Amino acid sequence: GAVVSQHPSWVICKSGTSVKIECRSLDFQATTMFWYRQFPKQSLMLMATSNEGSKATYEQGVEKDKFLINHASLTLSTLTVTSAHPEDSSFYICSARDAAGGSYEQYFGPGTRLTVT
Amino acid sequence: AQSVSQHNHHVILSEAASLELGCNYSYGGTVNLFWYVQYPGQHLQLLLKYFSGDPLVKGIKGFEAEFIKSKFSFNLRKPSVQWSDTAEYFCAVSPHRNYQLIWGAGTKLIIKP
Repeated sequence: GAVVSQHPSWVICKSGTSVKIECRSLDFQATTMFWYRQFPKQSLMLMATSNEGSKATYEQGVEKDKFLINHASLTLSTLTVTSAHPEDSSFYICSARDAAGGSYEQYFGPGTRLTVT
Repeated sequence: AQSVSQHNHHVILSEAASLELGCNYSYGGTVNLFWYVQYPGQHLQLLLKYFSGDPLVKGIKGFEAEFIKSKFSFNLRKPSVQWSDTAEYFCAVSPHRNYQLIWGAGTKLIIKP
């Protein structure tokens, strides 16, 4: 149980285009999803916290107009990188918190490798 | 500001050696503590967690961790490592009743066969 999927697993796009990454909880409902960015040889950096049916809460320094997050259902959150630039190339990881039982545990997706050329 | 520090970025051990990875956090209140593992090419998986109760927690694959509140530490241990334990290990902390995780920088563990 508690499986989180991400799609696509990797994507290459041209500078100036937009890319959408999906995060799905496959066997549980997730009221809260988190989006992280992981740089090479560094830890995960929380970008935003996404609650179903409401606006995402972005961390300091993360541009909300550039990284659009939508959490329209209890099983799906999307991250859209708008007008992507090479510096946006990174590994993006989502996690989801099971809505049942008040668990503090997060379940992680496999990540999406974004390369902007 | 709240932070989590992991003492070693890289650790290299031989099979059957004992392992201890350090993790310290800075937060004065009640916390939930986690160790996650990321095997090569795989996504993050929960190794073990501490919410309350016995400060010595046992996780999967023979790992355990001890919460020492006075030292703000949550060190990960395994008495005898295997080659398959080669992975990156992340310590994470969330303040009580807060679902956000604060992450350490990770420790890359390499086990020599």
